Amino acid sequence: DTAVSQTPKYLVTQMGNDKSIKCEQNLGHDTMYWYKQDSKKFLKIMFSYNNKELIINETVPNRFSPKSPDKAHLNLHINSLELGDSAVYFCASSRGQGRNYGYTFGSGTRLTVV
Amino acid sequence: DQQVKQNSPSLSVQEGRISILNCDYTNSMFDYFLWYKKYPAEGPTFLISISSIKDKNEDGRFTVFLNKSAKHLSLHIVPSQPGDSAVYFCAVANTNAGKSTFGDGTTLTVKP
Repeated sequence: DTAVSQTPKYLVTQMGNDKSIKCEQNLGHDTMYWYKQDSKKFLKIMFSYNNKELIINETVPNRFSPKSPDKAHLNLHINSLELGDSAVYFCASSRGQGRNYGYTFGSGTRLTVV
Repeated sequence: DQQVKQNSPSLSVQEGRISILNCDYTNSMFDYFLWYKKYPAEGPTFLISISSIKDKNEDGRFTVFLNKSAKHLSLHIVPSQPGDSAVYFCAVANTNAGKSTFGDGTTLTVKP
């Protein structure tokens, strides 16, 4: 039973399209995150939600819009996709800030913009 | 402005020996530190953490050491096993910031 599940696992799309990535966690965690792993392998935080409320919004283009319908779900919608958006996107969750047990990550969504 | 650096992109060790992975950070305000392991096509998996009030935390074969004055942490794996071959990320965090900042990873290869 997957703890943090992301769909789709792979996404290939053309420039200018709009796409969404879904994330669900069944751990009862109250905090969820989106991280982006670029070609240099850095994991950079994009957004963080706590109990459906936006807590962290890093310097991310407005084309990226997270939505949290409830504390078990955090979806990521991307408008007008650009080549530079190609990356692996990871969803994660934690109890509180994850001090003692860290984050639980999904397996990632590899987005390729052509 | 890279706040966390893992200066060794890769490390190769023999099975049974010790693996030492290193991580340096710049901001003395970070108050907890974590290590994650990542296999290909999977998300990172939490391994072990340490608070800034400690200098060592041990969990089985994994031990994390924190040197606050040097702003340096390390992960020791002993004995190393082939299944430990993965990318290891250190992460640093500040309670007030509510997020973890990750290093760029070190690829560990444990040879049988």
